Amino acid sequence: GAGVSQTPSNKVTEKGKYVELRCDPISGHTALYWYRQSLGQGPEFLIYFQGTGAADDSGLPNDRFFAVRPEGSVSTLKIQRTERGDSAVYLCASSFEPANEQFFGPGTRLTVL
Amino acid sequence: RKEVEQDPGPFNVPEGATVAFNCTYSNSASQSFFWYRQDCRKEPKLLMSVYSSGNEDGRFTAQLNRASQYISLLIRDSKLSDSATYLCVVKPGGGSYIPTFGRGTSLIVHP
Repeated sequence: GAGVSQTPSNKVTEKGKYVELRCDPISGHTALYWYRQSLGQGPEFLIYFQGTGAADDSGLPNDRFFAVRPEGSVSTLKIQRTERGDSAVYLCASSFEPANEQFFGPGTRLTVL
Repeated sequence: RKEVEQDPGPFNVPEGATVAFNCTYSNSASQSFFWYRQDCRKEPKLLMSVYSSGNEDGRFTAQLNRASQYISLLIRDSKLSDSATYLCVVKPGGGSYIPTFGRGTSLIVHP
């Protein structure tokens, strides 16, 4: 079946612009996670949804970052006033339930010029 | 001290060699442990969970040492296709499902 998909695969933007990154989890998976990965580092947790609600957003670095999952399926990560330091690969993962194995999407490579 | 620490390597080994990686964690209450594999410019994929009694999957063996707070991954008879970054993942338990990833250990298997 279909895995986790993310769009766009690459996004180049200018400093100060707004971007939206989309994640389409595996059908039926209730838990959805966003991570950020910089070169040479492991994925860094940003936010986790259980259903429609953000169960834990403690990893969001500041209030420029926001994420939604209005219908408990697709999620959008929104970054306002992008900064060069936001450049990274943004990974989404989903699992059937929070305690289960996570399946990752291919990521969105964000470059802020 | 970082929550999850791994030697970044790279570990450079010939085909057929046995190689082992360790990963240390700081939270003694951690409940779940995993090894993920990540190929260059690809997403992480679950390699294996790590059980208290240790577990084996083909050429791969994972061990947990709670007393010393580390997990290990042993790869026997290394193949060229094993070249990748191996990420250690620790989950706290106690109702929290937020995993912490190590920075990964790079393995290069050469002919």
